[in-house]
Amino acid sequence: EVQLVESGGGLVQPGGSLRLSCAASGFTVKTNYMSWVRQAPGKGLEWVSVIYSAGTTYYADSVKGRFTISRHNSKNTLYLEMNSLRAEDTAVYFCARSNDSTLNLDYWGQGTLVTVSS
Amino acid sequence: ELVLTQSPGTLSLSPGERATLSCRASQSVTSSYLAWYQQKPGQAPRLLIYGASSRATGIPDRFSGSESGTDFTLTISRLEPEDFAVYYCQHWTFGQGTNVEIK
Repeated sequence: EVQLVESGGGLVQPGGSLRLSCAASGFTVKTNYMSWVRQAPGKGLEWVSVIYSAGTTYYADSVKGRFTISRHNSKNTLYLEMNSLRAEDTAVYFCARSNDSTLNLDYWGQGTLVTVSS
Repeated sequence: ELVLTQSPGTLSLSPGERATLSCRASQSVTSSYLAWYQQKPGQAPRLLIYGASSRATGIPDRFSGSESGTDFTLTISRLEPEDFAVYYCQHWTFGQGTNVEIK
């Protein structure tokens, strides 16, 4: 059974950093296209970043230069390193899987809440 | 930059009625990249349609997707009580969503 479990969310001050993790089971992270998608409270979905099976990475303009997506193959885990956090980064962060570069996301985690506030 | 515009923002319908949701792309897109998702409060989104018109695994056949140029449509033929939710289209970036609510 495919499962994605996010962790690492919490309260952080503006300008601070946080690392999110997404532990996968039932499939291999390194052979899939893994994304982060976020949702601010009461708002819609926003695609954040993707890492291709080949290791290529892409970011939304809103996080480029501040966030870094990566994976640990032996732990079968996806990460999102978030630096220079702003109030507008407050959201539930979901990790999700796609088979290919279409980013049609067929499996999602339950999400982890990040709150940026002083 | 691609923008997906969904309409209407809210759709008020009764169970058994037909729902037609629209997603318009600001530029030409590859239909194989167009997906539709359903999201209920407190839950992660669920993939309904991929490649503009293919149903994902386990999705009932009352859900269908179609395309015409840069216009994409999600149709729910007869609304069931569990279908009242927010629906998003996506081509990497997401549309702003359509809330299908009970009338």
